[in-house]
Amino acid sequence: GQSLEQPSEVTAVEGAIVQINCTYQTSGFYGLSWYQQHDGGAPTFLSYNALDGLEETGRFSSFLSRSDSYGYLLLQELQMKDSASYFCAVRPSNSGGYQKVTFGTGTKLQVIP
Amino acid sequence: DTGVSQDPRHKITKRGQNVTFRCDPISEHNRLYWYRQTLGQGPEFLTYFQNEAQLEKSRLLSDRFSAERPKGSFSTLEIQRTEQGDSAMYLCASSPRSTNEKLFFGSGTQLSVL
Repeated sequence: GQSLEQPSEVTAVEGAIVQINCTYQTSGFYGLSWYQQHDGGAPTFLSYNALDGLEETGRFSSFLSRSDSYGYLLLQELQMKDSASYFCAVRPSNSGGYQKVTFGTGTKLQVIP
Repeated sequence: DTGVSQDPRHKITKRGQNVTFRCDPISEHNRLYWYRQTLGQGPEFLTYFQNEAQLEKSRLLSDRFSAERPKGSFSTLEIQRTEQGDSAMYLCASSPRSTNEKLFFGSGTQLSVL
């Protein structure tokens, strides 16, 4: 099965940089994704790492290290609108569960002035 | 295209009643997913359709839950004999043929079972 752990809450100052970690236990997966969800809203896709290393998309970057069973989402130049919950997710590569994208426990980010 | 739409947005029902939710995915997406989310938790996978075929189903989906996608377009999720533990946000997502790594979610149906 899959298990993805994230810190439950993080607080950061507007304009700063924040890193949200995701540690996982899984028997095999295709890649690590990140989603953002504002209160009352739908999860929206942010980024995907198929390979180890850093992927950059504007103010957001995501990192994956399969050898360390670890990934993170880096948010730069934080804005108040970045206050939301962030989820890491994996799609397993084991048979019988190819489409069962599993989400982490989620990190609630609060950006303060 | 307005994205994935779900109906209703909110549903309040009494324990023991049946409820049905509808999901309209993005029109060119052949993959459709149902998830359940409770407060403070990540979405939990319920079931997956490719076109009209239901190919994966979670053990979370008891016999009281059934989902259909009859023509490979919209989908319905029915819960029979609802229980208070069924109270949650039910999310639908879709993805295109070109990638299944990016899910597009609807805003969900919030179910409250009294």
